[in-house]
Amino acid sequence: KAGVTQTPRYLIKTRGQQVTLSCSPISGHRSVSWYQQTPGQGLQFLFEYFSETQRNKGNFPGRFSGRQFSNSRSEMNVSTLELGDSALYLCASRRETSGLTDTQYFGPGTRLTVL
Amino acid sequence: AQKITQTQPGMFVQEKEAVTLDCTYDTSDPSYGLFWYKQPSSGEMIFLIYQGSYDQQNATEGRYSLNFQKARKSANLVISASQLGDSAMYFCAMRERNQGGKLIFGQGTELSVKP
Repeated sequence: KAGVTQTPRYLIKTRGQQVTLSCSPISGHRSVSWYQQTPGQGLQFLFEYFSETQRNKGNFPGRFSGRQFSNSRSEMNVSTLELGDSALYLCASRRETSGLTDTQYFGPGTRLTVL
Repeated sequence: AQKITQTQPGMFVQEKEAVTLDCTYDTSDPSYGLFWYKQPSSGEMIFLIYQGSYDQQNATEGRYSLNFQKARKSANLVISASQLGDSAMYFCAMRERNQGGKLIFGQGTELSVKP
C-alpha cells in the first residue's frame, strides 16, 4: 500500500512569491492534516481537512490556506512568502474513525526555502 | 491548555542497551491519545506506538513500549536493545477527542546510538 506522498520535495522561492504544496493521502484515508516544522517553533499544526471541508485550524495568518479535493488529495498555499516561512511542511493522513486510535501517517515533507 | 513536554534535548545510548525517552503532557480532556513518532534525518515522521487515555495496559510494539503513568501525566517511550538505526529525533504527541486530527507535539529528543 502506497504511503502519503508530497510534491514537490524541495522548493526555493523568494520573498513575496506564493507557493502551492500538494499531498496525496494513503488510499482510503479521508482526513488530511498539515504541519509546519521549524528549528525554532518545532512542529505546529496548520489545518485539517475532511470531506473537502476545513475542520480545524492552527494559529497561522491568513496567508496560509488549503483545500481538499473529492479524491481526498489536499493542497496548501502560502501567499506573500516571508523569510520565516522557510520550513519543512509535513502532510499527514488518517482513515477517520470515531476513535482516538486512528493514527496519522506522515509524508516525507516538502522543504521550502524562502530567499 | 494542552501541552507536551520533552525535557531531554539529546540522549546517548550504547548499542544493544535500553533507553527511556521522557514525555509529560497536560490536558483537561479525559479522552486523549498519546503517540510517539521517529524522525530520521530524511525528515519523514514514522509512527511508532500509541496509548489511549483509557487503556489499562501499557502499549507495546516490538522493541518499543510505553510506560504510561496517567496520574503523573507521563508517557515515556522505552526502546529495548537499541540499534544504530534508532539514531533519530523522537517526538511525543497528543490528540484530544474533541480536536479531530490535531496533534500537539513536544520539542523532541535527539537519540544517538553508539556502537
